[in-house]
Amino acid sequence: QLQLQESGPGLVKPSETLSLTCTVSGGSISSSSYYWGWIRQPPGKGLEWIGSIYYSGSTYYNPSLKSRVTISVDTSKNQFSLKLSSVTAADTAVYYCARLEYCGGDCPNWFDPWGQGTLVTVSS
Amino acid sequence: DIQMTQSPSTLSASVGDRVTITCRASQSISSWLAWYQQKPGKAPKLLIYKASSLESGVPSRFSGSGSGTEFTLTISSLQPDDFATYYCQQYNSYPITFGQGTRLEIK
Repeated sequence: QLQLQESGPGLVKPSETLSLTCTVSGGSISSSSYYWGWIRQPPGKGLEWIGSIYYSGSTYYNPSLKSRVTISVDTSKNQFSLKLSSVTAADTAVYYCARLEYCGGDCPNWFDPWGQGTLVTVSS
Repeated sequence: DIQMTQSPSTLSASVGDRVTITCRASQSISSWLAWYQQKPGKAPKLLIYKASSLESGVPSRFSGSGSGTEFTLTISSLQPDDFATYYCQQYNSYPITFGQGTRLEIK
């Protein structure tokens, strides 16, 4: 059974870079049938898609965050990562990683399964 | 961006009730819609994809319908485990967007 696990610092200072890693187990991140995404949820609020990546390195980013986001993949470690630069308190959220079915080309999809999420707080 | 609007924001209901949650898209998304259930402190769980396809393992009391701009999630007979927050998500086009959520609470 595929599982995803987020990891990284739980506290980041304002203006610094948030870095998280998602480790995939029970399946290969290099499968041509899937791609991988990040979603966040501020405390008590709704869900926001951050971006997605295919094992080849092709990426899709939310325009609202694109200037600050980098998503990368490390197939040798079965991991993909998120970097969000110049963070502010508004970036405080639970960050989730998830899998999406690849539908060929430039098409989004639904998320399943999800990691358990990790809370990142931006504060000095 | 495609805006997704759910109604109601909060729904009070009793065990055994039939409930319906609505999700409206700001433009047509065909049937490219998913529904998730989220419980406090947990990740969202996929219930429905392609507007009406039930994810494997999800109880049959959950059903989805709609196309274009209006969609519904129906729970035919509420069970205690169903009290949670529900989100719709469109995947017709980037950026992927979610509804604001509907909190289903015990009356």
